Amino acid sequence: DGGITQSPKYLFRKEGQNVTLSCEQNLNHDAMYWYRQDPGQGLRLIYYSQIVNDFQKGDIAEGYSVSREKKESFPLTVTSAQKNPTAFYLCASSRGTLPDTQYFGPGTRLTVL
Amino acid sequence: AQSVTQLDSQVPVFEEAPVELRCNYSSSVSVYLFWYVQYPNQGLQLLLKYLSGSTLVKGINGFEAEFNKSQTSFHLRKPSVHISDTAEYFCAVSDRPGGYQKVTFGIGTKLQVIP
Repeated sequence: DGGITQSPKYLFRKEGQNVTLSCEQNLNHDAMYWYRQDPGQGLRLIYYSQIVNDFQKGDIAEGYSVSREKKESFPLTVTSAQKNPTAFYLCASSRGTLPDTQYFGPGTRLTVL
Repeated sequence: AQSVTQLDSQVPVFEEAPVELRCNYSSSVSVYLFWYVQYPNQGLQLLLKYLSGSTLVKGINGFEAEFNKSQTSFHLRKPSVHISDTAEYFCAVSDRPGGYQKVTFGIGTKLQVIP
């Protein structure tokens, strides 16, 4: 079955540590996205990538980094510079051409202790 | 710049009653509109989308939405809700400034179906 996988589902880290969230898709989609979800704030875009080896900052990129070395993979690193990293992180992908639909993974809940 | 306003943060409704979740948008260009549903601790799933054509759009699980250009609205409706509809619903608008598909989400509406 085609879809998006994110791992792990729950992640705990100590303050000051970097952590990488995995996102893999087998939908053959060109575009991939990372969103952060906080209660009452909806989804906010962190980074997006329209094609392999290219990515752009979204609305809240500070303290995060990404890479897009393969079409199917778009990992997100939450660095120690992110001041409030505890949140639910969602990865999505789409064909990348309008009109378009984004398909979402199950999410990773990150808690900083 | 595009934006989405979901007017109700929470909507309680009795089982088998009708429901309407409101969404208003603003955009400077032609828009594409979406409704997504999110069950607890899961990702978002597409309910329905408006791209063009008929203003009444039917989606999964018996939901439908009507695009109203003059009122810049895209309200979601279901004539009879079920307990399993308890979830959070997100309205989203999409356009393509500078060649990139930007999707803006509303803050979500939590639908609570009461037995």
